[in-house]
Amino acid sequence: GAVVSQHPSWVICKSGTSVKIECRSLDFQATTMFWYRQFPKQSLMLMATSNEGSKATYEQGVEKDKFLINHASLTLSTLTVTSAHPEDSSFYICSARDTFRGLAGGNEQFFGPGTRLTVL
Amino acid sequence: GQQVMQIPQYQHVQEGEDFTTYCNSSTTLSNIQWYKQRPGGHPVFLIQLVKSGEVKKQKRLTFQFGEAKKNSSLHITATQTTDVGTYFCAGPRRGSTLGRLYFGRGTQLTVWP
Repeated sequence: GAVVSQHPSWVICKSGTSVKIECRSLDFQATTMFWYRQFPKQSLMLMATSNEGSKATYEQGVEKDKFLINHASLTLSTLTVTSAHPEDSSFYICSARDTFRGLAGGNEQFFGPGTRLTVL
Repeated sequence: GQQVMQIPQYQHVQEGEDFTTYCNSSTTLSNIQWYKQRPGGHPVFLIQLVKSGEVKKQKRLTFQFGEAKKNSSLHITATQTTDVGTYFCAGPRRGSTLGRLYFGRGTQLTVWP
């Protein structure tokens, strides 16, 4: 159980275009999802917390207008990278908490497989 | 600000040798979690420690939470090639009710056969 999917798994786009990444919890409902960015051989940098039915909470230094997050349902959150530039190229991973079950009382995060974004 | 530091960044061992990674937080943590990310994969939850001085074992993996709840360690006995990956510790952000985590930088483990 507690499976999270992401789509697409990889995307290549031209500079200036927008890219939408979907994160779905397949077998549980997630009121909260998280979006991370990971550079090669580096840690996970939390970008924002996605809340179902309300505005996302962005981390300091993350541009809200550039990284649009929508959490329209209990199983879907989307991250849209607007006007993408080469420096936005990265590995984007989402995660979700299953607050009703899990090994750690709902504290652990279940990660999606990630999306590799390359901006030319 | 709150920080979670992890050392070493890299560790190369011969198969059969032991491995340890250490995690230190600048603040007291209510719990600490450990995740493993295989090369090309995504992080997978391993365990959560909650109590001061807690020790938990998963086969060859031993997890410890310090008495002051500010540090933790993961020890692998007799490493195998299947242990290859990056191990992250993560602590909850102080005051966060949404479950946000601070991740350490991770320790990348390479096991030579």
